Amino acid sequence: KAGVTQTPRYLIKTRGQQVTLSCSPISGHRSVSWYQQTPGQGLQFLFEYFSETQRNKGNFPGRFSGRQFSNSRSEMNVSTLELGDSALYLCASSLARRSYEQYFGPGTRLTVT
Amino acid sequence: AQSVSQHNHHVILSEAASLELGCNYSYGGTVNLFWYVQYPGQHLQLLLKYFSGDPLVKGIKGFEAEFIKSKFSFNLRKPSVQWSDTAEYFCAVNPPDSGGGADGLTFGKGTHLIIQP
Repeated sequence: KAGVTQTPRYLIKTRGQQVTLSCSPISGHRSVSWYQQTPGQGLQFLFEYFSETQRNKGNFPGRFSGRQFSNSRSEMNVSTLELGDSALYLCASSLARRSYEQYFGPGTRLTVT
Repeated sequence: AQSVSQHNHHVILSEAASLELGCNYSYGGTVNLFWYVQYPGQHLQLLLKYFSGDPLVKGIKGFEAEFIKSKFSFNLRKPSVQWSDTAEYFCAVNPPDSGGGADGLTFGKGTHLIIQP
């Protein structure tokens, strides 16, 4: 069974731009969560989607948004990029809601210049 | 909101040494507990998990962890480490699905483990 895939793997953007990252979960998994990983803050929860609805959201500004499609694929969007948004963005999928273990993708490395 | 504390940020051991990485969490209710590992250049992988039952859980690659409820701890152990265990280790918690208000996995800051040959 294929794992979680994320595209693109690397991205360089400038301040003020917006970016869209994509995540394809493991086949059959319906829950997708997004995390931001930085050296200073570590791994922080962004949001979770299940059945095309955002179920939970972490403590991030409204510039961070996402959506989930009927095939469970998910995208996250960051608008008006700031230097501090430079991070590894990880997507994780699970069969159902958070009570099951999550399987992580390789991440998208976003650099904001 | 729950929080996770990993006491050791950097650990250096020699091969065959025993390993114990500390993890404490703060949360007033029942939690699910996890250890994830991130090998150099690879993505996060689940090492082991605890949902309920026997507090001593065994994971992949000879790792085990013990849940001590009274101490809010979930320490990771391995009797004899190998050079290939060099990686970043993350402890994580989340409460069982309670139907709303959940915060996803809460991770500790990680422990960078280096095994010297």
